[in-house]
Amino acid sequence: GDSVTQMEGPVTLSEEAFLTINCTYTATGYPSLFWYVQYPGEGLQLLLKATKADDKGSNKGFEATYRKETTSFHLEKGSVQVSDSAVYFCASGGGYNKLIFGAGTRLAVHP
Amino acid sequence: GAGVSQSPSNKVTEKGKDVELRCDPISGHTALYWYRQSLGQGLEFLIYFQGNSAPDKSGLPSDRFSAERTGGSVSTLTIQRTQQEDSAVYLCASSLRPGGAFYNEQFFGPGTRLTVL
Repeated sequence: GDSVTQMEGPVTLSEEAFLTINCTYTATGYPSLFWYVQYPGEGLQLLLKATKADDKGSNKGFEATYRKETTSFHLEKGSVQVSDSAVYFCASGGGYNKLIFGAGTRLAVHP
Repeated sequence: GAGVSQSPSNKVTEKGKDVELRCDPISGHTALYWYRQSLGQGLEFLIYFQGNSAPDKSGLPSDRFSAERTGGSVSTLTIQRTQQEDSAVYLCASSLRPGGAFYNEQFFGPGTRLTVL
C-alpha cells in the first residue's frame, strides 16, 4: 500500500542554520504531496503542497520539490528561526484525498 | 464557525467503557475525515465522509469503532468497549469537496485526547 517515510528526529539546529527534512513516498500513480506542521499547542496546518512532478511548493521560506525520479519531497529552508520549532509531517494524497502521513520530525531551533 | 471544532478536548475513561467524540466541520465543507495520532502508530487515517455517507472506512482499526455524520455536518466517532491501545489524539478535518483531480486543503480541528485507563 501507499506509504510515506521521513527522517526521524529530533532535529536540533541553531538559528539561521539550513534545514533539510527528507521525505520519500511509495504510491500507485502520482499522488499530491504535502508538508504539514504542528506548532506547540496548536493544531495541524498545511505548510505547502505540490500536485504534480517537478512542482515546487513554497511557504514561509520553506520549499519542497516533487521529484518523481527519486519519489521524494524533501523540505528545505535556508535560514531557520526559533519560531520554526515544531513537528513537521510529510504526507501523500490517497483515494478520496485522504492523507497518508509520515511519522513526523520534531525540529528544535535554538537561539 | 471559524474553524473545525472538536469536543471534548480531553476524555479520560476506564477500559471497557464506550466513548463518543464529536466533530463540527467548517460550514459548507462536504468532505470530513477522521485521523488518529498515537505514539506507536503515528498519524493514521480512520474514515472519510462525503455528505452523510462514508465511502472509505478502511482505516477503522476494529469493529469497536464506528462513525456517523448527520445533516452533512456534525460527525460522531464512537469507540465501544475501549481498550488501552485506543489512547490517542483523535483529529477531525474537513474540506470543501471530496477527492478528484484537484486537492482541496483539509483543515484540522484541535483534536480530542483520549486516555483509557
